[in-house]
Amino acid sequence: GEEVAQTPKHLVRGEGQKAKLYCAPIKGHSYVFWYQQVLKNEFKFLISFQNENVFDETGMPKERFSAKCLPNSPCSLEIQATKLEDSAVYFCASSHGSGSNEQFFGPGTRLTVL
Amino acid sequence: SQQGEEDPQALSIQEGENATMNCSYKTSINNLQWYRQNSGRGLVHLILIRSNEREKHSGRLRVTLDTSKKSSSLLITASRAADTASYFCAPGYGNNRLAFGKGNQVVVIP
Repeated sequence: GEEVAQTPKHLVRGEGQKAKLYCAPIKGHSYVFWYQQVLKNEFKFLISFQNENVFDETGMPKERFSAKCLPNSPCSLEIQATKLEDSAVYFCASSHGSGSNEQFFGPGTRLTVL
Repeated sequence: SQQGEEDPQALSIQEGENATMNCSYKTSINNLQWYRQNSGRGLVHLILIRSNEREKHSGRLRVTLDTSKKSSSLLITASRAADTASYFCAPGYGNNRLAFGKGNQVVVIP
């Protein structure tokens, strides 16, 4: 597609439940990025992919968070055993290539953990 | 820290006035990007300036980059109410990730 698509728009989970977020990058873009924005403040980089391969995962919490980008499927970000502090808007972005390329962002998924 | 830091963090201006925001960063960059976020929505890419460029224009936007001072500025000329948003600078490094700052809230009063 011409835009980055993210689903669902909103997700509500009880503490301890699993949350799974999806992202379809723009067709032809080989890089996918996940960011977390808490309370409209700064964006925290989580992980990036080059096609199906993890490119940079230095921002990912080691426990509970995992992500995948498989061929012919939307990319996903999964949080096991959610905690209150996971409440945030999760943005996915894609870019055409490496290095100095602009990133195109999706509308985000708002995760609320109760 | 690789993050950009915007200044001022909040700006309120009258429609028609110019708005200037600054961004500073700490380490060498490949490029610097500016994004806008309207309330409750995703980020919209505004402009990218590469490390070997000093100035770039796009419509009513003008971005400058001073790599010796590790700073960038975004100027919005003849502001409109629709420019009300948060503006983020994002220094770009060789690892592709963007290191966003906390953003700069701009309110344009009609």
